[in-house]
This record gives sequence, C-alpha cells and structure tokens, in this order.
Amino acid sequence: AQSVTQPDIHITVSEGASLELRCNYSYGATPYLFWYVQSPGQGLQLLLKYFSGDTLVQGIKGFEAEFKRSQSSFNLRKPSVHWSDAAEYFCAVGPYQAGTALIFGKGTTLSVSS
Amino acid sequence: GAVVSQHPSWVICKSGTSVKIECRSLDFQATTMFWYRQFPKQSLMLMATSNEGSKATYEQGVEKDKFLINHASLTLSTLTVTSAHPEDSSFYICSARAGGQGDYNEQFFGPGTRLTVL
Repeated sequence: AQSVTQPDIHITVSEGASLELRCNYSYGATPYLFWYVQSPGQGLQLLLKYFSGDTLVQGIKGFEAEFKRSQSSFNLRKPSVHWSDAAEYFCAVGPYQAGTALIFGKGTTLSVSS
Repeated sequence: GAVVSQHPSWVICKSGTSVKIECRSLDFQATTMFWYRQFPKQSLMLMATSNEGSKATYEQGVEKDKFLINHASLTLSTLTVTSAHPEDSSFYICSARAGGQGDYNEQFFGPGTRLTVL
C-alpha cells in the first residue's frame, strides 16, 4: 500500500540549531515527493519538491531535502532554525499519473525554543 | 502564478443547514481538483477527486450525498456540505492540478475554509 510515514510527531529545536525532519514512503513506482509547511489556521505552502535528477533539492526559506531511494526517505533539513519556522510540516508523495491525489504523512509539529 | 483561492475562508452555520465552499484556480485551468479535510492537529485526508465536467470520485467512507462536489468549469469547483452537523466541523482544503495526461502531478493548494457547525 502507498503510504507516507513521518516518525516524529513533535520536535523542539533551539533557535539557531540545525533541523532534520524525517519522512519515509512506501510507493510502488517512482515517487514524486513534496514537503509542505502549514501555520496554524492557514493553508499549505510548498517548501520544495523532487521529481528527478539531483537527489539534493533546495527549497524556499533555506530548507533542503535529500531523496535516498535505498532508504525510501526524503528528509527535510535546515542548517539554522528561526523562531518563525515553528509550524506543522507535511511530507507528501504523489504519482506521475494525471488526476491522482497526493498522499500525506501525519505531519510533524516543530516548536522553536529561544 | 498557480494561485488557488477558496471562499469563504471561514463560515459558521447552524446544524441542519447547507454550506457551499468555492475553490477557484485564478491563473490556470484546473483539469482536476481535489478536496481534503483536516481535523485539528491531524493530517489532510482526501475526500474526493473531481475532473471538470464529470462526476466526482469519492474516497471510501465519504458520503457523496452529504458532500456534494461540482466541477462545472476548468477554474471552479464547489463543495456543498448538506444538512451540516457539528461533526462536520473541520478545515476543508482544496487543491487544483493543471495540465493534462502526461504532465507531472503538481498540485496547488487553496488557503482552506474553516467550517464550524453549531
């Protein structure tokens, strides 16, 4: 079955420290992978996406993610976290085929301590 | 580019009434639109997929008679929650996909609609 697992429900990081949010997927074909961020009461904002090519993907707000096929992972990283990064982060996987919805992980809540 | 809007952004209604939520792709034609539901501190759960001009495909467990979806044009899809009850209170998010067969499956999300049923 197709699924996305985000093992960490809640992570707290000190401001200025590095961050890594984990995402593992189970998918039968070549996946297209996404990371979204959601602030409370807001919609989703796309941070980055991976379709093909270089397995290290750069996104907005200083985020990057690395696709590791052998580990079925697409972990999100940021070298130095800012207080404004506190939010909910969702990993999603989708197929190439037209008309098929993305599958979301359960999300990881990021808190930033000063 | 690739902006999706939703209206209203929040709505409060009485139990038993119906509520319509609009999802519009503002600068592209959306061949497919998706409706998701999100409960507090939970992930997005797909409710249905709609293609312009055809009936929506509902996910298992979603009542099609309760959640009416219409995708009458390439820029507009509507979700009507009929005879709403407090358990229907949730955050509803739509997404729209541009392109046709063979194009990559990037979806653009609306800002969401907060529905509260009293």
